[in-house]
Amino acid sequence: GESVGLHLPTLSVQEGDNSIINCAYSNSASDYFIWYKQESGKGPQFIIDIRSNMDKRQGQRVTVLLNKTVKHLSLQIAATQPGDSAVYFCAWGVGYIPTFGRGTSLIVHP
Amino acid sequence: EAQVTQNPRYLITVTGKKLTVTCSQNMNHEYMSWYRQDPGLGLRQIYYSMNVEVTDKGDVPEGYKVSRKEKRNFPLILESPSPNQTSLYFCASSFIHGTVDYEQYFGPGTRLTVT
Repeated sequence: GESVGLHLPTLSVQEGDNSIINCAYSNSASDYFIWYKQESGKGPQFIIDIRSNMDKRQGQRVTVLLNKTVKHLSLQIAATQPGDSAVYFCAWGVGYIPTFGRGTSLIVHP
Repeated sequence: EAQVTQNPRYLITVTGKKLTVTCSQNMNHEYMSWYRQDPGLGLRQIYYSMNVEVTDKGDVPEGYKVSRKEKRNFPLILESPSPNQTSLYFCASSFIHGTVDYEQYFGPGTRLTVT
């Protein structure tokens, strides 16, 4: 598969555990924030987004938390499964040109 | 099946030889964009388009051109490729509801090597 990065931060968890992936963003004027999942050899896949007027949003097995004070975004995955193994990265921005973080590699051990 | 397709998936070329990477979506999306992904860096936007005949520069447009003559297609053109354009390229599309719908659909990627 295609390599999406070198020496990415890695999070290793056991199947069934909860996972928390963090992201520090740089633009305090950002009004949207997005999490993507990228499996080896594939394009990024949208997971969830949150607007700047919110601090929490939940989806199916995922929760995104936004702390604008410290410019921090997190993705929580409940009951992590082997199929969740991938690179996860956040994006943020205002307007039509998002900025993307480098990503975190999530490894789920059966 | 709703999808974004890119062709070719892999391409090796030489410096200066013009090439085009095609992108097509079947979801009637208004917004389309091109990104490059390089090791150690995040995705960076090259160009985007809000609709037919409406295109604009992203973060790293130098050395690239795009066109949007039809809603479904958004080709990326490298008039004179150079080795620093060796990268993994992604096309993406989404709806616009007042502002861009951030649920972008990405293509499978095109691995370009310029020697």
